[in-house]
Amino acid sequence: AQSVTQPDIHITVSEGASLELRCNYSYGATPYLFWYVQSPGQGLQLLLKYFSGDTLVQGIKGFEAEFKRSQSSFNLRKPSVHWSDAAEYFCAVGVQAGTALIFGKGTTLSVSS
Amino acid sequence: DAGVIQSPRHEVTEMGQEVTLRCKPISGHNSLFWYRQTMMRGLELLIYFNNNVPIDDSGMPEDRFSAKMPNASFSTLKIQPSEPRDSAVYFCASSLVGTGIGEQYFGPGTRLTVT
Repeated sequence: AQSVTQPDIHITVSEGASLELRCNYSYGATPYLFWYVQSPGQGLQLLLKYFSGDTLVQGIKGFEAEFKRSQSSFNLRKPSVHWSDAAEYFCAVGVQAGTALIFGKGTTLSVSS
Repeated sequence: DAGVIQSPRHEVTEMGQEVTLRCKPISGHNSLFWYRQTMMRGLELLIYFNNNVPIDDSGMPEDRFSAKMPNASFSTLKIQPSEPRDSAVYFCASSLVGTGIGEQYFGPGTRLTVT
């Protein structure tokens, strides 16, 4: 069965510092990969997506993610974090377009001044 | 364009009562998903529809839960009777399958509290 692991439950980063959130998946082939962000009391907003092509994908709000097949990873990065980035981040996997997503448990990002 | 619309945003009800959650997907989308979010279990799929047809309802907890999609622009999730353990945030998401990756767009959610 497919699964998604986000090893870090909570991360604190200083404003202006770089950020990397880890995501590992378990699936026999290349899945559809997504990162979503959820602010308190809000729905999930799509940050970026990947299925094929360039393994470094750019998303909204200055985020990027890199797919590494050898490591079954899809880590999210941002060069300089802003206080408004504080939220919960979810990595998700889909086995094909139009099917349900399997979500990781999420990583809560706090930004310190 | 309007995003996914869910109503109500908050629902407080007593155990045993019927609860109906509503969702209007993004116009033109052909897949609709219902997810539930809890602290203990995170985000999990309840059911999804393609072209208004239920495809996978294996995540529906038990017979107390039912979902319908009578047309392409409306879906309901019903809980009858409700129990305190049903307290959670229920999300509806929609996607357009057939072009691209078919990424899912989420509504704001309905926070359900069953007392």
